[in-house]
Amino acid sequence: DTEVTQTPKHLVMGMTNKKSLKCEQHMGHRAMYWYKQKAKKPPELMFVYSYEKLSINESVPSRFSPECPNSSLLNLHLHALQPEDSALYLCASSHRVSSDNEQFFGPGTRLTVL
Amino acid sequence: GENVEQHPSTLSVQEGDSAVIKCTYSDSASNYFPWYKQELGKRPQLIIDIRSNVGEKKDQRIAVTLNKTAKHFSLHITETQPEDSAVYFCAAPRASGTYKYIFGTGTRLKVLA
Repeated sequence: DTEVTQTPKHLVMGMTNKKSLKCEQHMGHRAMYWYKQKAKKPPELMFVYSYEKLSINESVPSRFSPECPNSSLLNLHLHALQPEDSALYLCASSHRVSSDNEQFFGPGTRLTVL
Repeated sequence: GENVEQHPSTLSVQEGDSAVIKCTYSDSASNYFPWYKQELGKRPQLIIDIRSNVGEKKDQRIAVTLNKTAKHFSLHITETQPEDSAVYFCAAPRASGTYKYIFGTGTRLKVLA
């Protein structure tokens, strides 16, 4: 399996809801990433996990809470989001966190916050 | 600071013509330069990459050139086809401190049939 998968594909939630985004890869990659992408903009890094430990948090608001239960799974828990958080959320993975590793992206979850 | 500049922001070419997109980076320690293609509503997909120990890499109609002295790298697409229409992002991973990709701002390429 050479793909990164994400669920759900689309998510609509209210500002008081709690929801989770899920990401999975079975390529044996030990680095996993969450990106946020607004329309017509490049992906913007949110979090990096290396060997299931959080190694980078790009000053993301606490209403976004990442979790890495094991080496294949990455979750992003959402709570009390704002309409401006509406975006495409991309998960990615790479062999390891390194300056010369290809990152493989999942198809993304398109999130709409009402 | 870390920065990747990408030009042009939009590019329209006639089918069959060539397209060139250029990126300039600031971290002289960067050693890997990928190019991603993102079609509307789809995930970014790697189309070609180059490491700092080579100056050019080619894969069929796509090539990437790297000038380490000037700190810029370019994507070249020859014999463009309508299916090449997409947004293209370059990236230059920050190689010092914590590693992460710094993406360019993207180029929207339209190939006119």
